[in-house]
Amino acid sequence: QSVLTQPPSVSGAPGQRVTISCTGNSSNVGTHHEVHWYQQIPGTAPKLLIYNNIYRPSGIPDRFSASKSGTSSSLAISGLRPEDEGDYFCQSCDSRMTHWVFGGGTKLTV
Amino acid sequence: EVQLVQSGAEVKKPGESLRISCKGSGYIFTNSWISWVRQVPGKGLEWMGRIDPSDSYTKYSSSFEGHVTISVDQARTTAYLQWSSLRASDSAIYYCARQQGSSFYFGSWGQGTPVSVSS
Repeated sequence: QSVLTQPPSVSGAPGQRVTISCTGNSSNVGTHHEVHWYQQIPGTAPKLLIYNNIYRPSGIPDRFSASKSGTSSSLAISGLRPEDEGDYFCQSCDSRMTHWVFGGGTKLTV
Repeated sequence: EVQLVQSGAEVKKPGESLRISCKGSGYIFTNSWISWVRQVPGKGLEWMGRIDPSDSYTKYSSSFEGHVTISVDQARTTAYLQWSSLRASDSAIYYCARQQGSSFYFGSWGQGTPVSVSS
């Protein structure tokens, strides 16, 4: 069982908007530690999508956005495209920033 | 361009030893921690441990400590993950990742090394 909780799956039609939640607790997400999001297209390595709660690395389109409040984070994907299909993982760290934890992943179907 | 290039797929028997590698390029190797992440096919990501290439200080997840060893060779800008005695349950894809920023997010990933352990 993963430390961070995500819904197993979400789906949406092309062009629609979906959100994926990530819930932790006071010893990880809630203790002022950032949440990061990764995208994993089937058969490929994970790729950084959002870092430090809200920031997109260079090359990530602004269709992807995220927010954090309390012990939860939310990833939003607007203007869904077929190529967005894959798994999405959230990640944070423990209270002492010595161990890193992932959510169980959410499978997005477009 | 930052790249992490991992060694190829491995097929082993239970009880055998194994070392897989992750070569970093395009950045100053000793400036960023390297972590190893396990993914059982069809399952999620599990952080195994990390190493600081500047001094070889390691930190392991309690789930993996004592079963795997992480090391580096600065001259070869390469990190390693090794087992002295593999189990069937070690069958998975192993990724190395470069940690960045003050929050140490996983900014770059290797392509993954599939490991299959079966008698």
